[in-house]
Amino acid sequence: EVQLLESGGGVVRPGGSLRLSCVASGFTFDDYGMSWVRQIPGKGLEWVASINWNGGSTGYVNSVKGRFTISRDNAKNSLFLQMNSLRAEDTALYYCVRTPLGYCGGGYCYLFDLWGQGTLVPVSS
Amino acid sequence: DIQMTQSPSSLSASVGDRVTITCQASQDIRKHLNWYQQRPGKAPQLQIYDASNLGKEVPSRFSGSGSGTNYSLTITSLQPEDIATYYCQQYDTLPPLFGPGTTVDIK
Repeated sequence: EVQLLESGGGVVRPGGSLRLSCVASGFTFDDYGMSWVRQIPGKGLEWVASINWNGGSTGYVNSVKGRFTISRDNAKNSLFLQMNSLRAEDTALYYCVRTPLGYCGGGYCYLFDLWGQGTLVPVSS
Repeated sequence: DIQMTQSPSSLSASVGDRVTITCQASQDIRKHLNWYQQRPGKAPQLQIYDASNLGKEVPSRFSGSGSGTNYSLTITSLQPEDIATYYCQQYDTLPPLFGPGTTVDIK
């Protein structure tokens, strides 16, 4: 079955760190760019970060630059998001998403054709 | 910065009705627009890409059109399983940006 499965979410205090993981199955992982998209519960969607197929290019939304790092391990079909210096406004459901080749460039991916179920990150004291 | 708006913010329609949702960009986005469906409690799913191309396994009652700054998603015959929030997303100017969403329910 083609799917993305996120893990690593949980309550974290402001200023804390968390590492999200996503394991892909059912498709050739390194044929795709990958991203994280987040959603404040009950609100809209926000692209957070992308990485190209080999990890050579990454891109971030301005609000997380310098705090979040996206990475991937193609041998393990895995995507990661290291989140440091977390803020209350980072509270959201974080989705792992896939992008076909041809829709990534300059570290940005911009077509999301497969989504995981999300992992919730509440940032609260 | 580019801005995306959607209208209406919500609508109610009857099964079988034709439903149209619009998405407007603050500048020409050259058909670099995608649409996603998010059913209640579920992850979003790609419906339309590049303004008018149907996503994989998306029913043919869905269609997309538009150019320049104005785009639309149409459902020709609304079905109960189409109850969802629909988001447009532009990628002409990076980073990619989603619209605020339009919630569709059954009257």
